Amino acid sequence: SAVISQKPSRDICQRGTSLTIQCQVDSQVTMMFWYRQQPGQSLTLIATANQGSEATYESGFVIDKFPISRPNLTFSTLTVSNMSPEDSSIYLCSVEGGVGVTDTQYFGPGTRLTVL
Amino acid sequence: GENVEQHPSTLSVQEGDSAVIKCTYSDSASNYFPWYKQELGKGPQLIIDIRSNVGEKKDQRIAVTLNKTAKHFSLHITETQPEDSAVYFCAASKGSNYQLIWGAGTKLIIKP
Repeated sequence: SAVISQKPSRDICQRGTSLTIQCQVDSQVTMMFWYRQQPGQSLTLIATANQGSEATYESGFVIDKFPISRPNLTFSTLTVSNMSPEDSSIYLCSVEGGVGVTDTQYFGPGTRLTVL
Repeated sequence: GENVEQHPSTLSVQEGDSAVIKCTYSDSASNYFPWYKQELGKGPQLIIDIRSNVGEKKDQRIAVTLNKTAKHFSLHITETQPEDSAVYFCAASKGSNYQLIWGAGTKLIIKP
Protein backbone atom coordinates (compact mmCIF):
# COMPACT_ATOMS: atom_id res chain seq x y z
CA SER A 1 0.00 0.00 0.00
CA ALA A 2 1.08 3.59 -0.55
CA VAL A 3 2.71 5.59 2.25
CA ILE A 4 1.19 9.04 2.54
CA SER A 5 2.42 12.01 4.55
CA GLN A 6 0.70 15.32 5.23
CA LYS A 7 2.03 18.65 6.38
CA PRO A 8 1.27 20.28 8.70
CA SER A 9 -0.09 17.66 11.08
CA ARG A 10 -2.00 20.34 12.95
CA ASP A 11 -2.38 24.11 13.00
CA ILE A 12 -4.24 26.85 14.78
CA CYS A 13 -5.15 29.76 12.52
CA GLN A 14 -6.88 33.10 12.75
CA ARG A 15 -10.09 33.72 10.89
CA GLY A 16 -9.67 35.37 7.50
CA THR A 17 -6.29 33.74 6.84
CA SER A 18 -5.48 30.81 4.52
CA LEU A 19 -3.66 27.53 5.11
CA THR A 20 -2.10 25.25 2.52
CA ILE A 21 -1.93 21.54 3.33
CA GLN A 22 0.54 19.33 1.53
CA CYS A 23 0.12 15.65 0.65
CA GLN A 24 3.09 13.54 -0.45
CA VAL A 25 2.91 9.91 -1.64
CA ASP A 26 5.84 7.50 -1.90
CA SER A 27 4.74 6.16 -5.29
CA GLN A 28 3.05 7.48 -8.39
CA VAL A 29 -0.74 7.39 -8.23
CA THR A 30 -3.41 8.54 -10.63
CA MET A 31 -6.18 9.54 -8.27
CA MET A 32 -5.77 11.72 -5.19
CA PHE A 33 -8.64 12.85 -3.01
CA TRP A 34 -9.22 15.48 -0.35
CA TYR A 35 -11.71 14.86 2.45
CA ARG A 36 -12.99 16.84 5.40
CA GLN A 37 -13.90 15.15 8.65
CA GLN A 38 -15.62 17.30 11.24
CA PRO A 39 -15.26 16.26 14.90
CA GLY A 40 -17.05 12.99 15.60
CA GLN A 41 -18.37 12.76 12.05
CA SER A 42 -17.85 10.69 8.94
CA LEU A 43 -15.78 11.64 5.92
CA THR A 44 -16.97 14.12 3.30
CA LEU A 45 -15.25 14.26 -0.07
CA ILE A 46 -14.16 17.77 -1.02
CA ALA A 47 -12.62 17.10 -4.42
CA THR A 48 -10.73 14.68 -6.64
CA ALA A 49 -7.34 15.84 -7.91
CA ASN A 50 -5.94 14.40 -11.13
CA GLN A 51 -2.55 15.34 -12.45
CA GLY A 52 -2.69 17.65 -15.41
CA SER A 53 -6.32 18.63 -15.08
CA GLU A 54 -8.57 20.78 -12.92
CA ALA A 55 -9.78 19.25 -9.69
CA THR A 56 -13.35 17.99 -9.61
CA TYR A 57 -15.30 19.44 -6.69
CA GLU A 58 -18.23 17.87 -4.89
CA SER A 59 -21.49 19.66 -4.26
CA GLY A 60 -21.05 22.30 -1.58
CA PHE A 61 -17.34 22.86 -2.19
CA VAL A 62 -15.95 25.51 -4.55
CA ILE A 63 -12.55 26.20 -6.01
CA ASP A 64 -12.34 29.72 -4.62
CA LYS A 65 -12.62 28.38 -1.08
CA PHE A 66 -10.59 25.17 -1.54
CA PRO A 67 -8.09 25.62 -4.38
CA ILE A 68 -6.19 22.41 -5.17
CA SER A 69 -2.96 21.83 -7.02
CA ARG A 70 -1.68 18.54 -8.46
CA PRO A 71 1.65 19.27 -10.13
CA ASN A 72 2.78 15.62 -10.44
CA LEU A 73 1.79 12.03 -9.67
CA THR A 74 3.10 12.05 -6.07
CA PHE A 75 2.06 15.43 -4.66
CA SER A 76 -0.99 17.60 -4.11
CA THR A 77 -1.95 20.64 -2.04
CA LEU A 78 -5.25 21.81 -0.65
CA THR A 79 -5.66 25.43 0.45
CA VAL A 80 -8.38 26.44 2.87
CA SER A 81 -9.00 30.11 2.06
CA ASN A 82 -10.45 32.96 4.09
CA MET A 83 -10.97 30.64 7.03
CA SER A 84 -13.78 30.84 9.56
CA PRO A 85 -14.33 28.76 12.73
CA GLU A 86 -16.66 26.51 10.70
CA ASP A 87 -13.61 25.32 8.77
CA SER A 88 -12.20 23.71 11.91
CA SER A 89 -11.91 20.06 10.90
CA ILE A 90 -9.55 17.27 10.07
CA TYR A 91 -8.47 17.42 6.43
CA LEU A 92 -7.46 14.08 4.94
CA CYS A 93 -5.63 13.23 1.76
CA SER A 94 -6.17 9.83 0.19
CA VAL A 95 -4.89 8.08 -2.90
CA GLU A 96 -6.31 5.29 -4.97
CA GLY A 97 -4.43 2.06 -4.94
CA GLY A 98 -1.52 2.00 -7.28
CA VAL A 99 -0.45 -0.18 -10.14
CA GLY A 100 -2.85 -3.09 -10.50
CA VAL A 101 -4.99 -2.03 -7.54
CA THR A 102 -8.16 -0.13 -8.32
CA ASP A 103 -10.77 1.27 -6.03
CA THR A 104 -8.81 0.86 -2.82
CA GLN A 105 -8.12 4.16 -1.09
CA TYR A 106 -5.32 4.74 1.38
CA PHE A 107 -5.31 7.71 3.72
CA GLY A 108 -2.74 10.05 5.11
CA PRO A 109 -2.61 10.86 8.84
CA GLY A 110 -4.68 14.03 8.46
CA THR A 111 -4.23 17.71 9.24
CA ARG A 112 -6.07 18.96 12.32
CA LEU A 113 -7.12 22.55 11.74
CA THR A 114 -8.51 24.87 14.38
CA VAL A 115 -9.70 28.31 13.34
CA LEU A 116 -10.11 30.93 16.04
CA GLY B 1 -29.31 9.93 -3.63
CA GLU B 2 -27.08 7.05 -2.70
CA ASN B 3 -26.45 6.45 0.98
CA VAL B 4 -24.94 3.93 3.39
CA GLU B 5 -26.52 3.29 6.77
CA GLN B 6 -24.29 1.91 9.53
CA HIS B 7 -25.35 0.37 12.85
CA PRO B 8 -24.81 0.54 15.72
CA SER B 9 -23.29 3.96 16.32
CA THR B 10 -21.62 2.66 19.49
CA LEU B 11 -20.81 -0.94 20.38
CA SER B 12 -19.36 -2.07 23.69
CA VAL B 13 -18.19 -5.68 24.01
CA GLN B 14 -16.24 -7.66 26.55
CA GLU B 15 -12.66 -8.46 25.64
CA GLY B 16 -12.57 -11.84 23.94
CA ASP B 17 -16.13 -11.64 22.66
CA SER B 18 -17.14 -11.01 19.05
CA ALA B 19 -18.28 -7.72 17.54
CA VAL B 20 -20.52 -7.27 14.51
CA ILE B 21 -21.11 -4.01 12.66
CA LYS B 22 -23.73 -3.82 9.91
CA CYS B 23 -24.13 -1.59 6.87
CA THR B 24 -26.86 -1.26 4.27
CA TYR B 25 -26.35 0.46 0.93
CA SER B 26 -28.85 1.85 -1.55
CA ASP B 27 -27.01 1.83 -4.91
CA SER B 28 -27.57 -1.56 -6.53
CA ALA B 29 -24.63 -0.83 -8.86
CA SER B 30 -22.13 -0.62 -5.97
CA ASN B 31 -19.46 -3.28 -6.43
CA TYR B 32 -16.76 -2.50 -3.87
CA PHE B 33 -17.14 -2.41 -0.07
CA PRO B 34 -14.19 -1.46 2.15
CA TRP B 35 -13.99 -1.21 5.93
CA TYR B 36 -11.72 1.28 7.67
CA LYS B 37 -10.51 1.56 11.25
CA GLN B 38 -9.74 5.01 12.61
CA GLU B 39 -7.85 5.38 15.86
CA LEU B 40 -7.85 8.64 17.75
CA GLY B 41 -5.66 11.22 16.06
CA LYS B 42 -4.98 9.08 12.99
CA GLY B 43 -6.23 8.72 9.45
CA PRO B 44 -8.55 5.86 8.47
CA GLN B 45 -6.77 2.57 7.88
CA LEU B 46 -8.13 -0.03 5.46
CA ILE B 47 -8.64 -3.30 7.34
CA ILE B 48 -10.58 -5.43 4.87
CA ASP B 49 -12.57 -5.03 1.68
CA ILE B 50 -14.86 -7.17 -0.47
CA ARG B 51 -16.03 -7.01 -4.06
CA SER B 52 -19.48 -7.86 -5.32
CA ASN B 53 -18.45 -11.17 -6.89
CA VAL B 54 -17.56 -12.58 -3.46
CA GLY B 55 -19.89 -13.37 -0.53
CA GLU B 56 -17.36 -13.57 2.28
CA LYS B 57 -13.75 -12.71 2.97
CA LYS B 58 -11.67 -13.43 6.03
CA ASP B 59 -8.34 -12.14 7.33
CA GLN B 60 -7.34 -13.66 10.67
CA ARG B 61 -9.81 -12.32 13.28
CA ILE B 62 -11.63 -10.09 10.82
CA ALA B 63 -14.26 -11.15 8.29
CA VAL B 64 -16.68 -9.36 6.01
CA THR B 65 -19.87 -10.80 4.55
CA LEU B 66 -21.86 -9.40 1.64
CA ASN B 67 -25.49 -10.04 0.75
CA LYS B 68 -26.07 -8.36 -2.61
CA THR B 69 -29.74 -9.23 -2.71
CA ALA B 70 -30.40 -7.48 0.58
CA LYS B 71 -27.76 -4.78 -0.16
CA HIS B 72 -26.22 -5.52 3.18
CA PHE B 73 -22.65 -6.13 4.37
CA SER B 74 -21.19 -6.74 7.81
CA LEU B 75 -17.87 -6.65 9.62
CA HIS B 76 -17.15 -9.43 12.09
CA ILE B 77 -14.32 -9.22 14.61
CA THR B 78 -13.69 -12.31 16.73
CA GLU B 79 -11.69 -12.63 19.95
CA THR B 80 -11.69 -8.89 20.44
CA GLN B 81 -8.67 -7.24 22.02
CA PRO B 82 -8.16 -3.80 23.63
CA GLU B 83 -6.35 -2.59 20.51
CA ASP B 84 -9.53 -3.17 18.49
CA SER B 85 -11.05 -0.12 20.23
CA ALA B 86 -11.53 2.51 17.52
CA VAL B 87 -14.10 4.01 15.17
CA TYR B 88 -14.96 1.76 12.23
CA PHE B 89 -16.35 3.07 8.94
CA CYS B 90 -17.97 1.11 6.15
CA ALA B 91 -18.18 2.44 2.62
CA ALA B 92 -19.65 1.46 -0.72
CA SER B 93 -18.52 2.44 -4.19
CA LYS B 94 -20.70 4.82 -6.18
CA GLY B 95 -21.64 2.24 -8.77
CA SER B 96 -18.40 1.04 -10.28
CA ASN B 97 -17.01 4.54 -9.80
CA TYR B 98 -13.90 5.20 -7.72
CA GLN B 99 -15.87 7.41 -5.34
CA LEU B 100 -16.97 6.00 -1.98
CA ILE B 101 -20.17 6.60 -0.04
CA TRP B 102 -19.40 6.47 3.67
CA GLY B 103 -21.31 5.17 6.65
CA ALA B 104 -21.60 7.32 9.76
CA GLY B 105 -19.14 5.22 11.77
CA THR B 106 -19.29 2.86 14.76
CA LYS B 107 -17.36 3.52 17.94
CA LEU B 108 -16.19 0.12 19.18
CA ILE B 109 -15.28 -0.09 22.86
CA ILE B 110 -13.57 -3.20 24.19
CA LYS B 111 -14.11 -3.64 27.92
CA PRO B 112 -11.29 -5.36 29.82
